[in-house]
Amino acid sequence: EVQLVESGGGLVQPGGSLRLSCAASEFSFSSFWMSWVRQAPGKGLEWVASIKRDGSEKYYVDSVKGRFTISRDNAKNSLYLQMNSLGAEDTAVYYCARGLGSAWYPDWFDPWGQGTLVTVSS
Amino acid sequence: DIQMAQSPPSLSASVGDRVTITCRASQSISSYLNWYQQKPGKAPYLLIYAASTLRSGVPSRFSGSGSGTDFTLTISSLQPEDFATYFCQQSYSPPLYTFGQGTKLVIK
Repeated sequence: EVQLVESGGGLVQPGGSLRLSCAASEFSFSSFWMSWVRQAPGKGLEWVASIKRDGSEKYYVDSVKGRFTISRDNAKNSLYLQMNSLGAEDTAVYYCARGLGSAWYPDWFDPWGQGTLVTVSS
Repeated sequence: DIQMAQSPPSLSASVGDRVTITCRASQSISSYLNWYQQKPGKAPYLLIYAASTLRSGVPSRFSGSGSGTDFTLTISSLQPEDFATYFCQQSYSPPLYTFGQGTKLVIK
């Protein structure tokens, strides 16, 4: 069964940093775009970042540009999200998701991991 | 940026009902529209992609339609396990994606 398992969430002070990880299994990780999507408590879904199969292209939502960095290690079947200069607005459950669809860019996300909660608070 | 507006925000229905959820894009997105189901405390789950293609394993009571700016998700006969929140997502402008704000389906 295709599986994604996030880790690394927790409580961090405003201005702090955190690194999320996502371990992938049971599929050819290096063949797929991967993404991070977040959900603030009681709110909707917000796409955060995506990375190409080989890591050569990375894209971010405007609100995290310059603060977050998406990366991957295909040898370890792992996806990462380095988050710096965190603010209260970054409090959310962060999901990693595999991208599927067209040959150029993914169109939809399937599956999703179970999520990891990031809480930014003093 | 393409904005996605879902309606209604909340919907009360009974088991066996037919329900329709609407998603409207701020500009034409052809058929680049996907639907997800999310149950409390769980990750979103893909139901329909490319506006009308049912993901493998999803019950046939779910269907999607539409193109351009207006899309619908229909559940033909609600089952107890269908009470959840549903999100639409556009992929017309990859790799920048936006989601609707969600429709919460509750038991009447």
